[in-house]
Amino acid sequence: DAGVIQSPRHEVTEMGQEVTLRCKPISGHNSLFWYRQTMMRGLELLIYFNNNVPIDDSGMPEDRFSAKMPNASFSTLKIQPSEPRDSAVYFCASADRNTGELFFGEGSRLTVL
Amino acid sequence: GEDVEQSLFLSVREGDSSVINCTYTDSSSTYLYWYKQEPGAGLQLLTYIFSNMDMKQDQRLTVLLNKKDKHLSLRIADTQTGDSAIYFCADRAGTALIFGKGTTLSVSS
Repeated sequence: DAGVIQSPRHEVTEMGQEVTLRCKPISGHNSLFWYRQTMMRGLELLIYFNNNVPIDDSGMPEDRFSAKMPNASFSTLKIQPSEPRDSAVYFCASADRNTGELFFGEGSRLTVL
Repeated sequence: GEDVEQSLFLSVREGDSSVINCTYTDSSSTYLYWYKQEPGAGLQLLTYIFSNMDMKQDQRLTVLLNKKDKHLSLRIADTQTGDSAIYFCADRAGTALIFGKGTTLSVSS
């Protein structure tokens, strides 16, 4: 298996623009997580899905952030409009349904100017 | 809410042992985890311990759990320069994992 695949790996955009981050989980995993990593706050859980259904989005910072999982093999995290304070590395992870182990993608590094 | 705390930095010499400490607040934790992050990469699971265990050893890694004090530690024996990375302690909260801020381990030769 190729592991969790995220795109883009790097994104530089200007304040106010829409940003869409994409994730393909490992086939067969039924849980998907979006985390954000910054120096100041570490790894923060933004939202997670079980069987494509959002379970807990209490970590989503504000209404500018939205996440979808239209099917078991794809998820998006969208920021509209983006702000400089959204600059971070965004990680997607999926979980093995038997062990619960999280497998992380390599992250999408977002810079908002 | 649930919290996981770690010291931010640790510096050791090659060949020494490294001990990374973590405290957590959730008394109902069933599994606790250690993840490793190398520069520019995602997190990879190093090891985990079930909450009814006190210790788990896996080659150079030893995990100690003091459930009464909610304290978890990771010991790396014979630390190598390739062990330089950020190490995250994580606690399971339902389906999701809650991570500490990570401890940056620096190994000098």
